[in-house]
Amino acid sequence: AQRVTQPEKLLSVFKGAPVELKCNYSYSGSPELFWYVQYSRQRLQLLLRHISRESIKGFTADLNKGETSFHLKKPFAQEEDSAMYYCALILAAAGNKLTFGGGTRVLVKP
Amino acid sequence: NAGVTQTPKFRVLKTGQSMTLLCAQDMNHEYMYWYRQDPGMGLRLIHYSVGEGTTAKGEVPDGYNVSRLKKQNFLLGLESAAPSQTSVYFCASSYSMNREETQYFGPGTRLLVL
Repeated sequence: AQRVTQPEKLLSVFKGAPVELKCNYSYSGSPELFWYVQYSRQRLQLLLRHISRESIKGFTADLNKGETSFHLKKPFAQEEDSAMYYCALILAAAGNKLTFGGGTRVLVKP
Repeated sequence: NAGVTQTPKFRVLKTGQSMTLLCAQDMNHEYMYWYRQDPGMGLRLIHYSVGEGTTAKGEVPDGYNVSRLKKQNFLLGLESAAPSQTSVYFCASSYSMNREETQYFGPGTRLLVL
């Protein structure tokens, strides 16, 4: 079965420092990968997806098929980036059913 | 346009009690999903629906039933609640099953089973 692993439960960084959230997946095919974010007292929402090759709120994520990773990066963290981040994937044969990682809580300190 | 709404927001149940969680969406989405969120485990799919009148099992369906009598509503039922079902439940919907399609999430229902 496919699996998504986020090894860090908590990342604490100072404002202005770079932040990288790790995401590894185990699947031999070609999944579609996403990052979802949940800010305090808000609902889960899509941050970015691999297929769009986009940068949202200064975040980027690069798919490395060799390392089966989809790490999320931001060069200069802001306090408003404090949130829970989930990496997720969809398999080609699974329609739109998301498989989520365990989540990483990011705390950006002033 | 309210998006995806869930009722109730919070509920406390005793072991063995039953309840129904309601999810409603006003975006005319075909596909709806129920997830549970537990610390360290992310969100896990309980059941999903690909259209009115249809439902299917997800990753963790045991102890739950669902119904999709109307396109805009997706109900999640617990017939006999257990402490292991203490969790935060999220509903989501999407326009299609296209894997690039975004899922839109509700605000969540926090359930405590004593």
